[in-house]
Order: sequence, then C-alpha cells, then structure tokens
Amino acid sequence: KNEVEQSPQNLTAQEGEFITINCSYSVGISALHWLQQHPGGGIVSLFMLSSGKKKHGRLIATINIQEKHSSLHITASHPRDSAVYICAVFAGGTSYGKLTFGQGTILTVHP
Amino acid sequence: DGGITQSPKYLFRKEGQNVTLSCEQNLNHDAMYWYRQDPGQGLRLIYYSQIVNDFQKGDIAEGYSVSREKKESFPLTVTSAQKNPTAFYLCASSPFRDANQPQHFGDGTRLSIL
Repeated sequence: KNEVEQSPQNLTAQEGEFITINCSYSVGISALHWLQQHPGGGIVSLFMLSSGKKKHGRLIATINIQEKHSSLHITASHPRDSAVYICAVFAGGTSYGKLTFGQGTILTVHP
Repeated sequence: DGGITQSPKYLFRKEGQNVTLSCEQNLNHDAMYWYRQDPGQGLRLIYYSQIVNDFQKGDIAEGYSVSREKKESFPLTVTSAQKNPTAFYLCASSPFRDANQPQHFGDGTRLSIL
C-alpha cells in the first residue's frame, strides 16, 4: 500500500462544476503539498498545508491531521484547470526535505 | 524572473551511452532535487543536495550520478548502468532542506532510448 493515496485517479467534469480531489496518507506528517502538473510536464506548487484550510482564487485546500486526509476543491471549474494534481507529504524526522508523492489525479474539464 | 531551467526538453540515448541532464536555478536556493516520473506512478527521488559539494542518494539512485560544484547547478548523469532510463525527469529546488517550504520545479526533460 502506498503511503500517499489519491482519489480518484481520473476525473472528468463539465465546465462550471465543483471538483474535489482527495488525498489520504498513512504516516505522521509536518506538511502536505498540493501540486499542479501541466500537460507539458512542468509542476507548480499550489498549496502547502500543515493544518486547517487555505484558499487561493477558485482553489481551496483543506487538511484533517487526525484523519490523515486532505482535499483539494476547485469551484466553478474551467477547461484551463485540466491538469494532473499531485499530493505530496513531508513526514519529518529526516535530515532533508524528502517528499512522498501520490500517483496524481488526472483532471479533464470539458467546455 | 527567477526559476529553474532544465535542458534539453527531449533527449534520446543510444544503448550503452551516458547522458547528462542540465538543471540550473537562479532562486538562490540551497537545496536541489532530482525526481523521476513514470506513467501512473508518483515522483521518486533520485538524488538531492543540501549544499554545494554535498549530495545524497535518494530512493532510486542506482545507475545515476550527480555533482554540485556550484550553488546554481545540479546536473544529473544517466549512466549505461541504468537499465530502464526512459522516463520524465524533474529537477526541483527549495530554500533549504526544510520541506515546510514549497519546492520549485523545472519543466522537465523527457528521456527516451533509441
């Protein structure tokens, strides 16, 4: 079993829909990252969370430390949101910033 | 603008040949990382470096080598010992080893075997 599991693996939506991507992890963490990978391959950091909730534009990320679960929400989805969304965790207790990554969720938003 | 530059974007290698992937950053970051991405799998850490002239193996270092002679540069060499080198390679950096800071990523290099 992977330490970081994302669901769903693939997600198709119509423009305007509310989208939720989930991330569950099995280890104690000190930080969780949400990343966006564009079709060309480049990766952008969206959020870094250690507790609670963060919002940036139409994106909202939440984390529940006790339940070892995080969600990424996209409100009023748009075709330009089509990308791979990756969850990554930092377990701490190491001497370097090693992240453990989920396998990614492929999001396709149709006009 | 500051960022990470990876080159080339696409790279082809013949069997038995070593190839070097370039990664340069102008963010003044201390830590740099190399990841490998395969279809349907999460990114896996190959090597990382926290400071100049120091680097450590990640989870899948076999068949790879790195150097960190300058703060800005962290090239990755894929050697002939790497039996399955076809993959997408991503370089990243962060201000220090603290993963409570976001990592910045390059646009990647896609390596294929001829």
